[in-house]
Amino acid sequence: EAQVTQNPRYLITVTGKKLTVTCSQNMNHEYMSWYRQDPGLGLRQIYYSMNVEVTDKGDVPEGYKVSRKEKRNFPLILESPSPNQTSLYFCASTAGWGQVTEAFFGQGTRLTVV
Amino acid sequence: LAKTTQPISMDSYEGQEVNITCSHNNIATNDYITWYQQFPSQGPRFIIQGYKTKVTNEVASLFIPADRKSSTLSLPRVSLSDTAVYYCLVGDFTSGTYKYIFGTGTRLKVLA
Repeated sequence: EAQVTQNPRYLITVTGKKLTVTCSQNMNHEYMSWYRQDPGLGLRQIYYSMNVEVTDKGDVPEGYKVSRKEKRNFPLILESPSPNQTSLYFCASTAGWGQVTEAFFGQGTRLTVV
Repeated sequence: LAKTTQPISMDSYEGQEVNITCSHNNIATNDYITWYQQFPSQGPRFIIQGYKTKVTNEVASLFIPADRKSSTLSLPRVSLSDTAVYYCLVGDFTSGTYKYIFGTGTRLKVLA
């Protein structure tokens, strides 16, 4: 079954404690991205990756890092989380970009930073 | 920078046709416009995509005028289960970037 898997689904952490949210896809997709969703602001792209070792900033990259060492995995790293990063996070993958825009989304990670 | 605008919310009754419009300026010349549906606590789910004129699949139609500055998602004969938030998605491929921009989302409530 084609899917995007995120872990964990829920996470409560304290300010400044580094954390990683994992994302894995089994569709051999080239393009992967991370979004955060906040009330009234919709979905905003944090980072994206067009292939292994190719990553770039989305619209709200401050405070986040990503890596793409393997095609299937695209972890999101918060080196020093702050309360304003409390949000619902989604990972997504797409076969390509431009003409190919059907994205498959993970189930989401609800992060609370206290 | 591509920017998208949608109505914040809409109400409809079961069995009616619902049209949701997204305004988008400066989308990439060769980029497609895509629409997604999202239920609470779930990731968005693909509905339909198109480039120009009209596209229809088993659940929706998408109308895109010649200037491509807007698109309209049409849901025929909605049911209670269509209550969700609907987003348009366009690409921002300017200045060597390959970002995607979601619309602000339209919360559709279907009433019995």
